[in-house]
Amino acid sequence: GAGVSQSPSNKVTEKGKDVELRCDPISGHTALYWYRQSLGQGLEFLIYFQGNSAPDKSGLPSDRFSAERTGGSVSTLTIQRTQQEDSAVYLCASSLDAYLAKNIQYFGAGTRLSVL
Amino acid sequence: AQSVAQPEDQVNVAEGNPLTVKCTYSVSGNPYLFWYVQYPNRGLQFLLKYITGDNLVKGSYGFEAEFNKSQTSFHLKKPSALVSDSALYFCAVRAYGGATNKLIFGTGTLLAVQP
Repeated sequence: GAGVSQSPSNKVTEKGKDVELRCDPISGHTALYWYRQSLGQGLEFLIYFQGNSAPDKSGLPSDRFSAERTGGSVSTLTIQRTQQEDSAVYLCASSLDAYLAKNIQYFGAGTRLSVL
Repeated sequence: AQSVAQPEDQVNVAEGNPLTVKCTYSVSGNPYLFWYVQYPNRGLQFLLKYITGDNLVKGSYGFEAEFNKSQTSFHLKKPSALVSDSALYFCAVRAYGGATNKLIFGTGTLLAVQP
């Protein structure tokens, strides 16, 4: 596609429910990144994929968070048993690959998650 | 550890005046630096980057940034501000070490341009 696409744009859920957030990267981009933007924590890295592999999961805040990528394209971020502190905007980005520092990360519009 | 600091939460400037949004960094090794802009309810848009070469980097929408190694700074500048430049600006540095290509972001600076 023309840009990074994320869905849904907004998600309201009840505490304890599971949610899935989807990211469709720019066509041809092999690297995909998830970040979280919240008032208290700013912009923080969660996980990135090179192809279908996730070399760095260091930013996932707890074992309730997981992500996968299939076919080297679409990625899903899953949050189990959501808590109110999970409320944030989840941003996805993609780049040509994860090896060259000069490669620009292009961001989607994000999914705003609200946990009631 | 790598880090980025944006010392100003907000910068106010009158339309037509020059603007500067400050950023300092701390990295081991050569820094790879980026500026992004975020408009309300939108994702981050890439403005410019410094990888190597000239210290003055030109980017989108008339923005430029000056890399200063001795001061470990990468300030964003524009000669003449527009009301439409009002947005949230983020400085970022590429993390080093390990199997990662993640970006480390500053806390953001809200730019408000008054007509």
